[in-house]
Amino acid sequence: QSVLTQPPSASGTPGQRVAISCSGSRFNIGNNHVYWYHQVSGAAPKIVMYRNDQRPAGVADRFSGSKSGTSASLAISGLRSEDEGDYYCAAWDDSLTGWVFGGGTKVTVL
Amino acid sequence: EVQLVESGGGLVQPGGSLRLSCVGSGFTFDTYAMTWLRQVPGKGLEWVSLISLSGAAIYYADSVKGRFTVSRDNSRSTMYLQMDSLRVEDTATYFCAKGGWFGGPGFDPWGRGTLVTVSP
Repeated sequence: QSVLTQPPSASGTPGQRVAISCSGSRFNIGNNHVYWYHQVSGAAPKIVMYRNDQRPAGVADRFSGSKSGTSASLAISGLRSEDEGDYYCAAWDDSLTGWVFGGGTKVTVL
Repeated sequence: EVQLVESGGGLVQPGGSLRLSCVGSGFTFDTYAMTWLRQVPGKGLEWVSLISLSGAAIYYADSVKGRFTVSRDNSRSTMYLQMDSLRVEDTATYFCAKGGWFGGPGFDPWGRGTLVTVSP
């Protein structure tokens, strides 16, 4: 059971918009930044969003992040085949004094 | 180019020990916190340990506290994870990542990982 809650799957056709939610508590998302990572099967994860809504260099502006209260969201607009994979949210947890992750959301481009 | 390379994984019996290494290149190693994370095959990501720039501040996940020890040698641009009293449930691919200090720019990048298998 993950500390952060994500839907197990999300899908869309090429060009569509997909949003992934991440729910936590006042100890993690409610009081700290949220980060998002993308992992293609068998490869190392890559960061796609940091500090809630900041895009790292090299990440397409089709990706956007937001946070409100104890929930966060990652949106992918103009969905492309290379966006497929697993997306994980993460946040520092003040109660556990460590990083916590969501269980991951598998994004499929139909 | 920033690169992280993990090594030291392998097959070990329950109760045994293993030491993982993570060598960083392409960045000033001693100006970044470093992190260990793991992933059970087919499962999600789990944070394992975080070490500050100098090694003065260290944090562990409850699942490994008292059994794993993280350290770093900045002169060698290397971080280590000493894993003792290994359990079957420690079987996973172990990744190291640059960064991870709370409020920072996240774990970026990650190494390719090294597989640890704990089995009788």
